[in-house]
Amino acid sequence: NAGVTQTPKFRILKIGQSMTLQCTQDMNHNYMYWYRQDPGMGLKLIYYSVGAGITDKGEVPNGYNVSRSTTEDFPLRLELAAPSQTSVYFCASSTRTDGAFFGQGTRLTVV
Amino acid sequence: DAKTTQPNSMESNEEEPVHLPCNHSTISGTDYIHWYRQLPSQGPEYVIHGLTSNVNNRMASLAIAEDRKSSTLILHRATLRDAAVYYCILSWGNTGKLIFGQGTTLQVKP
Repeated sequence: NAGVTQTPKFRILKIGQSMTLQCTQDMNHNYMYWYRQDPGMGLKLIYYSVGAGITDKGEVPNGYNVSRSTTEDFPLRLELAAPSQTSVYFCASSTRTDGAFFGQGTRLTVV
Repeated sequence: DAKTTQPNSMESNEEEPVHLPCNHSTISGTDYIHWYRQLPSQGPEYVIHGLTSNVNNRMASLAIAEDRKSSTLILHRATLRDAAVYYCILSWGNTGKLIFGQGTTLQVKP
């Protein structure tokens, strides 16, 4: 069981560039989440999804977009990268009643 | 939205029990209480969760107050590898949304 897989692990973007962070889970979980974690800080929820075709904003959604076309995949899109988006991004999945599993993170630097 | 309150930091000695408290006075009847921990430079790791009754697993125990307004994560014998940030969070009602607070940084002394 691979669990939650995030790609890439590291990425450097230039200001204004776009990219998609990939997240895939193989546990058939309905709930999926994207978080960002700035250095020395806690996790902030960006977007979450309770099932295929359903997404909703979290605490810090500005500058990001998501889609959920399948149960397995929950990609996070950055359209115009800004230095303020330099962070570590974590994807997670869960069921309604069980604990969440997290990926290993994507370390993004915007220069 | 229900919030949790935890101490910023705690210290423990190795091989002693640790009790990490969490207050969640505005918890609703359908909110689950979750605990996660994050080791340095790693992603969060699930520890334990519960709804109303106390829970035990191989990592820890979760004691939930009768009124559900507080809970305690119990590590029975702390090891140096248990040094981490511990987060107590609520999964909100029917959304299952998980909002993290600042957590408790646990230091374990040899």
